[in-house]
Amino acid sequence: DVKVTQSSRYLVKRTGEKVFLECVQDMDHENMFWYRQDPGLGLRLIYFSYDVKMKEKGDIPEGYSVSREKKERFSLILESASTNQTSMYLCASSSPGEGGSQYFGPGTRLLVL
Amino acid sequence: QKEVEQNSGPLSVPEGAIASLNCTYSDRGSQSFFWYRQYSGKSPELIMSIYSNGDKEDGRFTAQLNKASQYVSLLIRDSQPSDSATYLCAVNMRQAGTALIFGKGTTLSVSS
Repeated sequence: DVKVTQSSRYLVKRTGEKVFLECVQDMDHENMFWYRQDPGLGLRLIYFSYDVKMKEKGDIPEGYSVSREKKERFSLILESASTNQTSMYLCASSSPGEGGSQYFGPGTRLLVL
Repeated sequence: QKEVEQNSGPLSVPEGAIASLNCTYSDRGSQSFFWYRQYSGKSPELIMSIYSNGDKEDGRFTAQLNKASQYVSLLIRDSQPSDSATYLCAVNMRQAGTALIFGKGTTLSVSS
Protein backbone atom coordinates (compact mmCIF):
# COMPACT_ATOMS: atom_id res chain seq x y z
CA ASP A 1 0.00 0.00 0.00
CA VAL A 2 1.06 3.53 -0.75
CA LYS A 3 1.89 5.47 2.33
CA VAL A 4 2.09 9.24 2.39
CA THR A 5 2.94 10.84 5.69
CA GLN A 6 2.89 14.48 6.76
CA SER A 7 5.01 15.90 9.53
CA SER A 8 2.19 17.34 11.64
CA ARG A 9 -1.56 16.82 11.99
CA TYR A 10 -2.14 20.18 13.66
CA LEU A 11 -0.04 23.33 13.75
CA VAL A 12 -0.59 26.72 15.34
CA LYS A 13 1.65 29.55 14.16
CA ARG A 14 1.85 33.32 14.52
CA THR A 15 1.49 35.80 11.70
CA GLY A 16 4.86 36.43 10.07
CA GLU A 17 6.42 33.14 11.10
CA LYS A 18 8.13 30.91 8.55
CA VAL A 19 6.32 27.57 8.41
CA PHE A 20 7.60 24.26 7.06
CA LEU A 21 5.26 21.42 6.14
CA GLU A 22 6.89 18.17 5.19
CA CYS A 23 5.58 15.23 3.22
CA VAL A 24 7.18 11.83 2.71
CA GLN A 25 6.03 9.00 0.44
CA ASP A 26 7.37 5.47 0.43
CA MET A 27 6.31 4.25 -3.03
CA ASP A 28 9.04 5.77 -5.17
CA HIS A 29 6.50 8.03 -6.89
CA GLU A 30 7.84 10.60 -9.30
CA ASN A 31 5.07 13.15 -8.78
CA MET A 32 4.21 14.95 -5.58
CA PHE A 33 1.62 17.65 -4.93
CA TRP A 34 0.59 20.18 -2.33
CA TYR A 35 -3.04 21.29 -2.02
CA ARG A 36 -5.00 23.39 0.37
CA GLN A 37 -8.64 22.67 1.09
CA ASP A 38 -11.09 25.24 2.36
CA PRO A 39 -14.87 24.96 2.88
CA GLY A 40 -16.74 25.84 -0.30
CA LEU A 41 -13.55 26.19 -2.35
CA GLY A 42 -12.58 22.55 -2.70
CA LEU A 43 -9.04 21.34 -3.29
CA ARG A 44 -6.73 23.92 -4.78
CA LEU A 45 -3.31 23.02 -6.14
CA ILE A 46 -0.45 25.08 -4.73
CA TYR A 47 2.63 23.45 -6.27
CA PHE A 48 3.64 20.14 -7.70
CA SER A 49 6.87 18.40 -8.56
CA TYR A 50 7.51 15.73 -11.19
CA ASP A 51 11.14 15.06 -10.30
CA VAL A 52 13.81 15.90 -7.76
CA LYS A 53 14.59 19.62 -7.76
CA MET A 54 11.78 20.24 -10.28
CA LYS A 55 8.67 22.21 -9.40
CA GLU A 56 5.67 23.68 -11.14
CA LYS A 57 3.26 26.33 -9.91
CA GLY A 58 -0.30 25.30 -9.39
CA ASP A 59 -3.33 27.53 -9.22
CA ILE A 60 -2.48 29.42 -6.02
CA PRO A 61 1.31 29.57 -5.51
CA GLU A 62 1.44 33.10 -4.06
CA GLY A 63 2.87 33.15 -0.56
CA TYR A 64 4.27 29.63 -0.82
CA SER A 65 7.43 27.94 -1.97
CA VAL A 66 8.46 24.29 -2.19
CA SER A 67 11.55 22.16 -2.01
CA ARG A 68 12.24 18.69 -3.31
CA GLU A 69 15.79 17.60 -2.60
CA LYS A 70 15.01 13.87 -2.43
CA LYS A 71 12.52 11.85 -4.43
CA GLU A 72 10.53 10.77 -1.39
CA ARG A 73 10.26 14.16 0.30
CA PHE A 74 8.38 17.31 -0.73
CA SER A 75 8.28 20.34 1.53
CA LEU A 76 5.90 23.29 1.49
CA ILE A 77 7.17 26.55 2.92
CA LEU A 78 5.10 29.51 4.00
CA GLU A 79 7.68 32.29 3.92
CA SER A 80 5.70 34.65 6.17
CA ALA A 81 2.49 33.11 7.43
CA SER A 82 -0.68 35.14 7.22
CA THR A 83 -4.12 34.52 8.68
CA ASN A 84 -5.55 33.83 5.22
CA GLN A 85 -3.26 30.81 5.03
CA THR A 86 -5.20 29.10 7.80
CA SER A 87 -6.35 25.93 6.06
CA MET A 88 -6.08 22.17 5.70
CA TYR A 89 -2.94 21.31 3.73
CA LEU A 90 -2.86 18.03 1.87
CA CYS A 91 0.09 16.32 0.24
CA ALA A 92 -0.33 13.69 -2.47
CA SER A 93 1.87 11.55 -4.67
CA SER A 94 1.39 9.69 -7.93
CA SER A 95 3.17 7.61 -10.48
CA PRO A 96 2.84 8.20 -14.24
CA GLY A 97 2.15 4.51 -14.74
CA GLU A 98 -1.09 4.56 -12.76
CA GLY A 99 -3.04 6.94 -14.98
CA GLY A 100 -2.50 9.85 -12.65
CA SER A 101 -4.20 8.42 -9.57
CA GLN A 102 -3.06 10.33 -6.52
CA TYR A 103 -2.65 9.11 -2.95
CA PHE A 104 -3.07 11.56 -0.14
CA GLY A 105 -1.42 12.00 3.22
CA PRO A 106 -3.52 12.58 6.35
CA GLY A 107 -3.35 16.36 6.07
CA THR A 108 -2.07 19.17 8.27
CA ARG A 109 -4.56 21.56 9.78
CA LEU A 110 -2.76 24.90 10.09
CA LEU A 111 -4.06 27.77 12.18
CA VAL A 112 -2.30 31.12 11.80
CA LEU A 113 -3.06 33.58 14.57
CA GLN B 1 -10.52 25.93 -19.29
CA LYS B 2 -10.18 23.22 -16.67
CA GLU B 3 -13.44 22.49 -14.92
CA VAL B 4 -14.98 19.59 -13.10
CA GLU B 5 -18.53 20.17 -11.94
CA GLN B 6 -20.43 18.31 -9.24
CA ASN B 7 -23.69 18.98 -7.49
CA SER B 8 -22.69 19.97 -3.95
CA GLY B 9 -25.68 18.25 -2.36
CA PRO B 10 -26.38 17.16 0.21
CA LEU B 11 -27.71 14.03 -1.39
CA SER B 12 -29.81 12.13 1.12
CA VAL B 13 -30.73 8.47 0.65
CA PRO B 14 -32.16 5.85 3.01
CA GLU B 15 -30.08 2.87 4.05
CA GLY B 16 -30.15 0.15 1.40
CA ALA B 17 -30.95 2.48 -1.48
CA ILE B 18 -28.79 3.29 -4.50
CA ALA B 19 -26.91 6.57 -4.33
CA SER B 20 -26.05 8.19 -7.66
CA LEU B 21 -23.33 10.83 -7.83
CA ASN B 22 -22.63 12.75 -11.01
CA CYS B 23 -19.76 14.73 -12.48
CA THR B 24 -19.16 16.60 -15.72
CA TYR B 25 -15.84 17.84 -17.05
CA SER B 26 -14.74 20.42 -19.61
CA ASP B 27 -11.83 18.79 -21.48
CA ARG B 28 -13.07 16.35 -24.12
CA GLY B 29 -9.58 14.84 -24.40
CA SER B 30 -9.41 13.76 -20.77
CA GLN B 31 -8.23 10.19 -20.29
CA SER B 32 -8.38 9.25 -16.61
CA PHE B 33 -11.17 9.66 -14.11
CA PHE B 34 -11.25 9.06 -10.39
CA TRP B 35 -13.61 9.05 -7.46
CA TYR B 36 -12.38 9.88 -3.98
CA ARG B 37 -14.25 9.55 -0.70
CA GLN B 38 -13.54 12.06 2.05
CA TYR B 39 -14.86 11.71 5.57
CA SER B 40 -15.22 14.87 7.61
CA GLY B 41 -11.83 15.99 8.92
CA LYS B 42 -9.97 13.31 6.96
CA SER B 43 -8.03 13.29 3.70
CA PRO B 44 -9.42 12.01 0.38
CA GLU B 45 -9.22 8.28 -0.24
CA LEU B 46 -9.16 6.85 -3.76
CA ILE B 47 -12.07 4.44 -4.25
CA MET B 48 -12.49 4.07 -8.02
CA SER B 49 -10.65 4.81 -11.23
CA ILE B 50 -12.00 4.46 -14.77
CA TYR B 51 -10.28 5.00 -18.10
CA SER B 52 -12.63 3.76 -20.84
CA ASN B 53 -16.29 4.22 -21.71
CA GLY B 54 -18.75 1.99 -19.93
CA ASP B 55 -19.11 0.64 -16.43
CA LYS B 56 -16.54 -0.53 -13.92
CA GLU B 57 -17.71 -2.37 -10.84
CA ASP B 58 -15.91 -2.88 -7.53
CA GLY B 59 -18.04 -4.37 -4.79
CA ARG B 60 -20.96 -2.03 -4.09
CA PHE B 61 -19.43 0.72 -6.22
CA THR B 62 -19.90 1.19 -9.96
CA ALA B 63 -18.20 3.94 -11.93
CA GLN B 64 -19.73 4.90 -15.27
CA LEU B 65 -17.99 6.91 -17.98
CA ASN B 66 -19.42 8.52 -21.10
CA LYS B 67 -16.68 10.46 -22.87
CA ALA B 68 -18.99 11.70 -25.64
CA SER B 69 -21.17 13.40 -23.03
CA GLN B 70 -18.17 14.31 -20.83
CA TYR B 71 -19.90 12.68 -17.93
CA VAL B 72 -18.77 10.33 -15.19
CA SER B 73 -20.87 8.94 -12.38
CA LEU B 74 -20.57 6.81 -9.26
CA LEU B 75 -23.30 4.46 -8.12
CA ILE B 76 -23.30 3.09 -4.59
CA ARG B 77 -25.59 0.11 -4.16
CA ASP B 78 -27.04 -0.94 -0.80
CA SER B 79 -25.97 2.35 0.74
CA GLN B 80 -24.83 2.21 4.35
CA PRO B 81 -24.57 4.95 6.98
CA SER B 82 -20.79 4.45 6.77
CA ASP B 83 -20.97 5.69 3.17
CA SER B 84 -21.93 9.15 4.45
CA ALA B 85 -19.07 11.34 3.24
CA THR B 86 -18.12 13.84 0.58
CA TYR B 87 -17.31 12.29 -2.80
CA LEU B 88 -14.81 14.07 -5.01
CA CYS B 89 -14.62 13.56 -8.76
CA ALA B 90 -11.15 14.07 -10.27
CA VAL B 91 -10.07 14.18 -13.90
CA ASN B 92 -6.67 14.00 -15.53
CA MET B 93 -6.92 16.64 -18.27
CA ARG B 94 -4.35 16.99 -21.02
CA GLN B 95 -3.87 20.69 -20.33
CA ALA B 96 -3.17 20.00 -16.67
CA GLY B 97 -0.26 17.66 -17.34
CA THR B 98 0.28 15.32 -14.42
CA ALA B 99 -2.09 17.16 -12.09
CA LEU B 100 -5.69 16.14 -11.45
CA ILE B 101 -8.54 18.59 -11.58
CA PHE B 102 -10.93 18.06 -8.68
CA GLY B 103 -14.59 18.90 -8.39
CA LYS B 104 -15.76 20.51 -5.17
CA GLY B 105 -17.48 17.32 -4.10
CA THR B 106 -20.95 16.02 -3.37
CA THR B 107 -21.94 15.36 0.23
CA LEU B 108 -23.84 12.10 0.68
CA SER B 109 -25.92 11.38 3.75
CA VAL B 110 -27.26 7.85 4.29
CA SER B 111 -29.92 7.60 6.96
CA SER B 112 -30.61 4.41 8.92
